[in-house]
Amino acid sequence: GESVGLHLPTLSVQEGDNSIINCAYSNSASDYFIWYKQESGKGPQFIIDIRSNMDKRQGQRVTVLLNKTVKHLSLQIAATQPGDSAVYFCAERQEGQAGTALIFGKGTTLSVSS
Amino acid sequence: KAGVTQTPRYLIKTRGQQVTLSCSPISGHRSVSWYQQTPGQGLQFLFEYFSETQRNKGNFPGRFSGRQFSNSRSEMNVSTLELGDSALYLCASSVAGRTDTQYFGPGTRLTVL
Repeated sequence: GESVGLHLPTLSVQEGDNSIINCAYSNSASDYFIWYKQESGKGPQFIIDIRSNMDKRQGQRVTVLLNKTVKHLSLQIAATQPGDSAVYFCAERQEGQAGTALIFGKGTTLSVSS
Repeated sequence: KAGVTQTPRYLIKTRGQQVTLSCSPISGHRSVSWYQQTPGQGLQFLFEYFSETQRNKGNFPGRFSGRQFSNSRSEMNVSTLELGDSALYLCASSVAGRTDTQYFGPGTRLTVL
């Protein structure tokens, strides 16, 4: 089964609000997490990443928080815009014998109304 | 710099046929990974290639195979197609794979009738 999941399949917000998208992971040994945004008809687009030796990382309008105690990851989007409407996935890096795979959660669909 | 490109973008096949999908990574990227995306199972890892060698493999049947060429371009093949193989197949490239960010292409939408 999947080791990464999201709490809510959908989230609806008003333009200008702050959005918080949550993700729970199960592998306490995971050391790298990524958030991707996928718009309709496109592949996932990298938003921000965080390593397990950090608990917070900020980008442009986005912040990722990592709580290793409860194995929880969140993506905060400030001043949400209609262009932020998309499906958001968290992903956990899993190391194989020699290579790497990303294990994705199911995704949260963010809808922004103006 | 051009992004990851995948061809074809759309494909319709019938059960029992085979299909080959192509992926050209970002220039300078040597690792290519493939993922299958379906509404029911979400995004699932298929395999990863680096320097023409498969380094990691997901939990898919042997009907799914791939290869990588010396120029880092990659192909994946699905033989004896089943209805359940209908999905969006995504390719992602990274510089070396292990610790680098993976950048995704737009995907190939495969429909099996």
